[in-house]
Amino acid sequence: QFVLTQPPSASGTPGQTVTISCSANRSDIELNYLYWYQQFPGMAPKVLISRNDRRPSGVPDRFSASKSGTSASLVINAVRSADEATYYCATWDDTLTGRVLFGGGTKLTVL
Amino acid sequence: VQLVESGGGGVQPGESLRLSCVASGFPFSSYAMHWVRQAPGKGLEWVAFVSYDGSNEHFADSVRGRFSISRDSSKNTLFLQMNNLRREDTAMYYCAKNYGAYGGTPDAWGQGTLVTVSS
Repeated sequence: QFVLTQPPSASGTPGQTVTISCSANRSDIELNYLYWYQQFPGMAPKVLISRNDRRPSGVPDRFSASKSGTSASLVINAVRSADEATYYCATWDDTLTGRVLFGGGTKLTVL
Repeated sequence: VQLVESGGGGVQPGESLRLSCVASGFPFSSYAMHWVRQAPGKGLEWVAFVSYDGSNEHFADSVRGRFSISRDSSKNTLFLQMNNLRREDTAMYYCAKNYGAYGGTPDAWGQGTLVTVSS
């Protein structure tokens, strides 16, 4: 079964670059757009990256993403304490029926 | 885009609940919609999908046969009918707009409505 795997945690000090990975166990990740969401405790998720690598208006250009083969990455440049949140990758999986597949989420800690 | 969920609450196992989501700020009838839930302290779990015109529906294995999804484009409203609720259905339920008319991924989220199933 198609699965997206993220590291459960990531950390960095202010100003550092942090990379969060999202890997798929199948090449089907190449078929559909990958999205990244940012979620603060007690809040709804927010779209951070759409359609593999697009930043919605209002998202700082410190955030970028890429997708290649069976993996994708979210890169946060010059990380700040305000970036402490949980980050999820997601894609549409239509290999059997149809569903949204979420990664397990990566909790970012800024030390 | 604004999505406002309602209908959550506390119910006992086996009972039913109907969630609603009123959409505004975009042409509701042109976009597919999702329900996504998040159990306390857990990650995001996709629940259900309906295409822009209601002709296609998909459900997570965990809710198939118990939950149904529908939409009323005349009222810009999305629904989730939840029957035979179980303790493991306890979660914040989010309504989410899809990025297109058919299958895809959410590109906007509501604030959520909390469902608690407990005896």
